[in-house]
Amino acid sequence: TQLLEQSPQFLSIQEGENLTVYCNSSSVFSSLQWYRQEPGEGPVLLVTVVTGGEVKKLKRLTFQFGDARKDSSLHITAAQPGDTGLYLCAGRGTYKYIFGTGTRLKVLA
Amino acid sequence: DTAVSQTPKYLVTQMGNDKSIKCEQNLGHDTMYWYKQDSKKFLKIMFSYNNKELIINETVPNRFSPKSPDKAHLNLHINSLELGDSAVYFCASSQDLGSGSPLHFGNGTRLTVT
Repeated sequence: TQLLEQSPQFLSIQEGENLTVYCNSSSVFSSLQWYRQEPGEGPVLLVTVVTGGEVKKLKRLTFQFGDARKDSSLHITAAQPGDTGLYLCAGRGTYKYIFGTGTRLKVLA
Repeated sequence: DTAVSQTPKYLVTQMGNDKSIKCEQNLGHDTMYWYKQDSKKFLKIMFSYNNKELIINETVPNRFSPKSPDKAHLNLHINSLELGDSAVYFCASSQDLGSGSPLHFGNGTRLTVT
């Protein structure tokens, strides 16, 4: 069974701080995606990474795919209250996406 | 325009009842999914369909029966509801079964079984 463990599970930080969320698995994935989910809504795609070692930047968010394509990280610089939400990684399995356990981020003003 | 829409938003019902959730996507995607999100926010795939054909049934009890009348619709019917079925159910679609196709989610249906 393919599993994706995210850490930390919960994170509460002050506005302006930096943070990193990790997504780890013992399985290899052909691609990995990060989503953000806000209360009462469905997850929304942030980024897709495909190549081992790939780094993608989306404004203050930096995503990295591990060299072996088994893990990924999301780094947020100078977090803002608008970054608050549930962050989910998702690995591509056979004809399906397997979601991580989730990281709930709260950024305090 | 809503890309993936599902109805109803909330569903409260008693044990033993039968209920349906409807989902429609106007993105022209070939593939649709049902995911279940539990109280700990864990999202688990239930079914995926590609061009109306069932691709994945992830060991879901046969009380759950998906139906795809066309590739823009994927409905979920649940028989003999149980307390453990309480969760948020998300419909999603993707362009195709390719590994790079992102998921587009609806806003979920919160099912409460009492």
